[in-house]
Amino acid sequence: DTGVSQNPRHKITKRGQNVTFRCDPISEHNRLYWYRQTLGQGPEFLTYFQNEAQLEKSRLLSDRFSAERPKGSFSTLEIQRTEQGDSAMYLCASSLGGFANYGYTFGSGTRLTVV
Amino acid sequence: DAKTTQPNSMESNEEEPVHLPCNHSTISGTDYIHWYRQLPSQGPEYVIHGLTSNVNNRMASLAIAEDRKSSTLILHRATLRDAAVYYCILRTNTGNQFYFGTGTSLTVIP
Repeated sequence: DTGVSQNPRHKITKRGQNVTFRCDPISEHNRLYWYRQTLGQGPEFLTYFQNEAQLEKSRLLSDRFSAERPKGSFSTLEIQRTEQGDSAMYLCASSLGGFANYGYTFGSGTRLTVV
Repeated sequence: DAKTTQPNSMESNEEEPVHLPCNHSTISGTDYIHWYRQLPSQGPEYVIHGLTSNVNNRMASLAIAEDRKSSTLILHRATLRDAAVYYCILRTNTGNQFYFGTGTSLTVIP
């Protein structure tokens, strides 16, 4: 296992288009998280899954955003009708359980540019 | 999760030790202190974490104050590859997310 994989690494899209990102976590990790990071800021929490169940969503996750994790394996994050304000790095992380003693493993992220 | 306070930026000379401070005055008894770092165009990378006792690993050391209201990440010999943003984060068993803040941007001078 080579860690958390995110695809694509970069995505340029026109405003109004839909985009979908994929995250493949470490196989034995049951928790998967999505974060968003804008320039000069730390990552901000969007949502997380425990296995296939989406257990928490941030208020940052507007109705245009949807995330899935079918069968508790890989996850997808879709943004509909993209806006310029959606331009950011989208980070995926996974962990083995949710206890405070466990750390996250992050992917390299997908950089979205909306033009 | 309780919040942390870190300096915005620090500089270090190459091959010298670096002490990155973090204040967390509202820490609770069950909060773990985590440190991550983020290199340019990469996702955050786990560095170290601890609860009460000082911790060492191959990357760094974590010194935790006796009252746990502050901690220090120690890089024993800074290299150019250590130039990154370092985040100090508190994690509770009831929290499901990390609050990253803006971290400390470390510049290593050759």
